[in-house]
Amino acid sequence: DAGVTQSPTHLIKTRGQQVTLRCSPKSGHDTVSWYQQALGQGPQFIFQYYEEEERQRGNFPDRFSGHQFPNYSSELNVNALLLGDSALYLCASSLGGGTYYEQYFGPGTRLTVT
Amino acid sequence: AQSVTQLGSHVSVSEGALVLLRCNYSSSVPPYLFWYVQYPNQGLQLLLKYTSAATLVKGINDFEAEFKKSETSFHLTKPSAHMSDAAEYFCAVSRSGAGSYQLTFGKGTKLSVIP
Repeated sequence: DAGVTQSPTHLIKTRGQQVTLRCSPKSGHDTVSWYQQALGQGPQFIFQYYEEEERQRGNFPDRFSGHQFPNYSSELNVNALLLGDSALYLCASSLGGGTYYEQYFGPGTRLTVT
Repeated sequence: AQSVTQLGSHVSVSEGALVLLRCNYSSSVPPYLFWYVQYPNQGLQLLLKYTSAATLVKGINDFEAEFKKSETSFHLTKPSAHMSDAAEYFCAVSRSGAGSYQLTFGKGTKLSVIP
């Protein structure tokens, strides 16, 4: 059973550009959450998607947007990249969105903005 | 709002020694509490969680943690460290009950195990 997969593994972008990161949830999971992990920090919640809708959002600007597809996979889009957006972006999936249910994390996409 | 403080960004123990990683939380409502482990170049793996049942929680790989409401703590322990335990550990908190979807993480504690 494949766990949570993310693509690409690494990405280098220039300030001002736009980026799209992709996540496929663990088989059977219907909920996807995205987290940003800056170097030396813990992950920070960006948002969660369930039934193709953004259900909850953390303290991130509108430059961060997402999408969930009917097959439950998800994309994270970041517009107008800033140097401070350089981080490891983690996707987590669960069956049911509440934190009572275990969230399974993917290996992440490391984004470098130059 | 919830927050987590992990005391000690780096902890070193000898192989076979007790592991103790400290976590204090702040929450205005009853919390759920979690410990995750992250190995290099990997995602996070859940070690254990507290969800309002027993206050002493046992997890994978002989880790356990005790929820102490009076001390607002949820420290992680393991009786005997193995070399394979070297990793970064994150404590996380969320609100309990329905409608809670967000985990709030601490900054992490890097555990080194000395042979």
